[in-house]
Amino acid sequence: TQLLEQSPQFLSIQEGENLTVYCNSSSVFSSLQWYRQEPGEGPVLLVTVVTGGEVKKLKRLTFQFGDARKDSSLHITAAQPGDTGLYLCAGRRTTSGSRLTFGEGTQLTVNP
Amino acid sequence: GAVVSQHPSRVICKSGTSVKIECRSLDFQATTMFWYRQFPKQSLMLMATSNEGSKATYEQGVEKDKFLINHASLTLSTLTVTSAHPEDSSFYICSARGVDTDTQYFGPGTRLTVL
Repeated sequence: TQLLEQSPQFLSIQEGENLTVYCNSSSVFSSLQWYRQEPGEGPVLLVTVVTGGEVKKLKRLTFQFGDARKDSSLHITAAQPGDTGLYLCAGRRTTSGSRLTFGEGTQLTVNP
Repeated sequence: GAVVSQHPSRVICKSGTSVKIECRSLDFQATTMFWYRQFPKQSLMLMATSNEGSKATYEQGVEKDKFLINHASLTLSTLTVTSAHPEDSSFYICSARGVDTDTQYFGPGTRLTVL
């Protein structure tokens, strides 16, 4: 059983479309991070959310942390081909110490 | 942001040989370093957690005698894949976390191919 359920796993859209990626769990997280990874490279941190209900914006990307700190979403507005990559959510549970739990990832392809 | 480097970026070796991968935090002291393994189009799988100066904690199913981890200083951790076999071929990624922070910074990864 995956602790962090990420959906969808694969997403292929046209340039200019909007999309949302979800990260859900039955566990409470003290913090949750979103990463973007390109082939052959390590994940790059996009944002960290720590407060329930928190919303953070990074240009065309909007991140939200659920009120109960069990889920999060990433919304991309007007997607561009440069947004193509593997998006990973990762959370640190209140009971797991330093361990970061990763979701399965969402492979996003934005076609020109 | 903080920078983590890995060396080598790619390595090809023959079956039965050992390979060492280095992970360095370049501009901060990493009290904790993590080693992950990743298969194509999949998420990261945590292999082990290491704290400077102490033994690594391995995840269930990861052989500690096969994947030797050393975290001898606050800026360097090494992963040695001993007696490598083709099934060990994968993308290995390290990450580092500094003092008093929840944020993990990832290295660029090492592509290991065992022939």
